[in-house]
Amino acid sequence: GAVVSQHPSRVICKSGTSVKIECRSLDFQATTMFWYRQFPKQSLMLMATSNEGSKATYEQGVEKDKFLINHASLTLSTLTVTSAHPEDSSFYICSASAYTEAFFGQGTRLTVV
Amino acid sequence: GENVEQHPSTLSVQEGDSAVIKCTYSDSASNYFPWYKQELGKRPQLIIDIRSNVGEKKDQRIAVTLNKTAKHFSLHITETQPEDSAVYFCAALLTGANNLFFGTGTRLTVIP
Repeated sequence: GAVVSQHPSRVICKSGTSVKIECRSLDFQATTMFWYRQFPKQSLMLMATSNEGSKATYEQGVEKDKFLINHASLTLSTLTVTSAHPEDSSFYICSASAYTEAFFGQGTRLTVV
Repeated sequence: GENVEQHPSTLSVQEGDSAVIKCTYSDSASNYFPWYKQELGKRPQLIIDIRSNVGEKKDQRIAVTLNKTAKHFSLHITETQPEDSAVYFCAALLTGANNLFFGTGTRLTVIP
């Protein structure tokens, strides 16, 4: 199946700093990528839909100025958590769609200290 | 939009027994229903899917059934093994949309 690579897999940062997470589709072009946040023992919460060459569409309640999404090419989308705080600590997962099937990145465990 | 409900939230079965996880969806325009297995700290992996023109699909020990009239679909795992222990998510895709709506997940524990 298609491969989606997400980097880094783990990151620890200080409160107030920014963290960038990359999501790459390695063997197909993804015009749309999705960013999810997953709290412990909970489902995947869609944060935003990232469209290549245009602004991301954010779900209700997600701060677009805090979670900056860039989708500059058909194979790369980035999520930047700006001015991170401990409550931003979570598991972030990207996915890209090829036809109807979704392929997930490995996820990024963000810990803000 | 679509609303997907999933039950039960936790399920424990003895090794060798069957496990059934059920999901309902709200929008009759949904036409694709995948199931994902997520092991701790890892990405969700697609294990089986079904489209709205099919009522049942089977892949070895895993099967999925779909009742379009009732708007529900179920995952069936037979002869469960300890390695089946994980969190399982159902999802639904609306026709014409490209984002999945996920259920809340079921933590399956297979007791050896």
